[in-house]
Amino acid sequence: SYVLTQPPSVSVAPGKTARISCEGDSIGTKNVHWYQQKPGQAPLLVMYYDKDRPSGIPERLSGSNSGNTATLTISRVDAGDEADYYCQVSDTTTDHVVFGGGTTLTVL
Amino acid sequence: QVQLQESGPGLVKPSETLSLTCTVSGGSTDFFNWSWIRQPPGKGLEWIAYMFYSGTTNYNPSLRSRVTISLDTSRTQFSLRLTSVTAADTATYYCASLYAGNSFYFDSWGPGALVTVSS
Repeated sequence: SYVLTQPPSVSVAPGKTARISCEGDSIGTKNVHWYQQKPGQAPLLVMYYDKDRPSGIPERLSGSNSGNTATLTISRVDAGDEADYYCQVSDTTTDHVVFGGGTTLTVL
Repeated sequence: QVQLQESGPGLVKPSETLSLTCTVSGGSTDFFNWSWIRQPPGKGLEWIAYMFYSGTTNYNPSLRSRVTISLDTSRTQFSLRLTSVTAADTATYYCASLYAGNSFYFDSWGPGALVTVSS
């Protein structure tokens, strides 16, 4: 089965840029979606089809996907961005859904 | 977007069946696709199953033998059944609407329901 690998944690100072990676075999050939989950809350879709933002998601969040790595980038990070972030794809062969293990973003 | 709410017992005994219902408001189950996802305490997300409004289903291979997802005839609810539960099935269970185009993603989620498996 397809495996997505994320770093367990990323730390960044306020006002700086956070980059959260999601690695998978030829992930650049797949569509990657991202979710933000704050403590005690359900996940929230923040990026779909690699780089499209749902309504209400700030432009500070952007996405890219190429080769074996997809990246969620958060510019001008503030305390409100502290959360777990998960990447997700669907396997084009089986139509199974796969999540990455999640990355905890800490704002220093 | 639709709103979703999970409901069901918060405590299930080992070897018994976990049953959860997701109530949909702001839309009918006739026109969307539906899914269940779970998250063990302190761990990541795990997709369980989904069902298209056409009735087609797909299950996580690791759970396939124990899981059933179904639509209620009310057209405002869908359900999850997980048989022969163990402590490893203790998790927060989320229902979600599934966008199914060239790729699949979850665009609306319920708040989640914590289910503990314990005697």
